[in-house]
Amino acid sequence: EAGVAQSPRYKIIEKRQSVAFWCNPISGHATLYWYQQILGQGPKLLIQFQNNGVVDDSQLPKDRFSAERLKGVDSTLKIQPAKLEDSAVYLCASTPGMEGSYGYTFGSGTRLTVV
Amino acid sequence: SQKIEQNSEALNIQEGKTATLTCNYTNYSPAYLQWYRQDPGRGPVFLLLIRENEKEKRKERLKVTFDTTLKQSLFHITASQPADSATYLCALDIERFSGGYNKLIFGAGTRLAVHP
Repeated sequence: EAGVAQSPRYKIIEKRQSVAFWCNPISGHATLYWYQQILGQGPKLLIQFQNNGVVDDSQLPKDRFSAERLKGVDSTLKIQPAKLEDSAVYLCASTPGMEGSYGYTFGSGTRLTVV
Repeated sequence: SQKIEQNSEALNIQEGKTATLTCNYTNYSPAYLQWYRQDPGRGPVFLLLIRENEKEKRKERLKVTFDTTLKQSLFHITASQPADSATYLCALDIERFSGGYNKLIFGAGTRLAVHP
């Protein structure tokens, strides 16, 4: 089966600019997650969707970050305006249901550099 | 406060030896504990999962133990190979509420280097 697809792989922007990341989860996976991984740290959950509804966005900086999964399949994460501290790898993951008893499948991520 | 702690220093071992990585946590009650491998420039890859009522799980050269009293998991790679060199992440799968959606929380990872 195809894995979790993410694009772009790399992005360099100036601070205060906007950027968007795209994720296509494994076909049939109802739950989609966006994580932020800063260099040297473990991934941190930003937002979790179940189909097209938000389950948890408590760690999402909502003044600048937004995410949507309109048709319950692919998803976009946007940052506007970007800050230097947003430099990180943004990972998308998916699971079939609402718990991870089969493990979570991650994409390769988008590496964002804000200069 | 809630914490997941993994050895921050890299673990260097000789090929053929057993690598043992530690994961300690405080103030969590995980439904599952998971281990992932992450290579540079790649996303984490799921390796093994162990449930709160299990003591030990094996998969090929991998073994995970889980002690909910000590709040600790040990991850072993036997007969290690240079290809096992990577960062290994411990993650707790936390049930938000009874029957509700789970949430995966990661430690910072331990880098393993296996030398020929």
